[in-house]
Amino acid sequence: KAGVTQTPRYLIKTRGQQVTLSCSPISGHRSVSWYQQTPGQGLQFLFEYFSETQRNKGNFPGRFSGRQFSNSRSEMNVSTLELGDSALYLCASSSGTADTEAFFGQGTRLTVV
Amino acid sequence: QKEVEQNSGPLSVPEGAIASLNCTYSDRVSQSFFWYRQYSGKSPELIMSIYSNGDKEDGRFTAQLNKASQYVSLLIRDSQPSDSATYLCAGRRRSNYQLIWGAGTKLIIKP
Repeated sequence: KAGVTQTPRYLIKTRGQQVTLSCSPISGHRSVSWYQQTPGQGLQFLFEYFSETQRNKGNFPGRFSGRQFSNSRSEMNVSTLELGDSALYLCASSSGTADTEAFFGQGTRLTVV
Repeated sequence: QKEVEQNSGPLSVPEGAIASLNCTYSDRVSQSFFWYRQYSGKSPELIMSIYSNGDKEDGRFTAQLNKASQYVSLLIRDSQPSDSATYLCAGRRRSNYQLIWGAGTKLIIKP
């Protein structure tokens, strides 16, 4: 069974640009959650998509957006990049129901210069 | 009160000893919990899930859930230097199924 796939693994962007990250969840999983993690920090929750609908949202500015497709693949977009957006972006796949665990992709490391 | 609370450490344990990691949780969190291990610069990896009161053992790892005290712990026996990592506990919020994370405890195993 394939795991969670995130692409690309590494990305370097310039301030002001926008970026799109992709996450393919485990087959059959309907929930994809996105997190931002900076060095030494915990997981900061961005949002969760479940069956193509945003079910939960964290406290990030509107520059951060996402979507989910009918095959459960999800994309996350960050517009007008800032230096502070440099981080490891993680997606987690789960069935999304009560009492179920989540599985993470390898992450996308974004560097904004 | 935070929904899931976890001491950020660091927790330093001698090699071969038992490492004990703890989380507490509020009424807003469902009583099923997950322990993850995260090495520096890597993504979190699921170690154990626990759904019912009591202990659950898997190799050198034992998860303990005490619903009355709203307390969940992870014990690592015969700690190895390779166990040095940050350990995260998580549970789902009852109202919207969102996974709520503890801050993570940094564990250091000293040879």
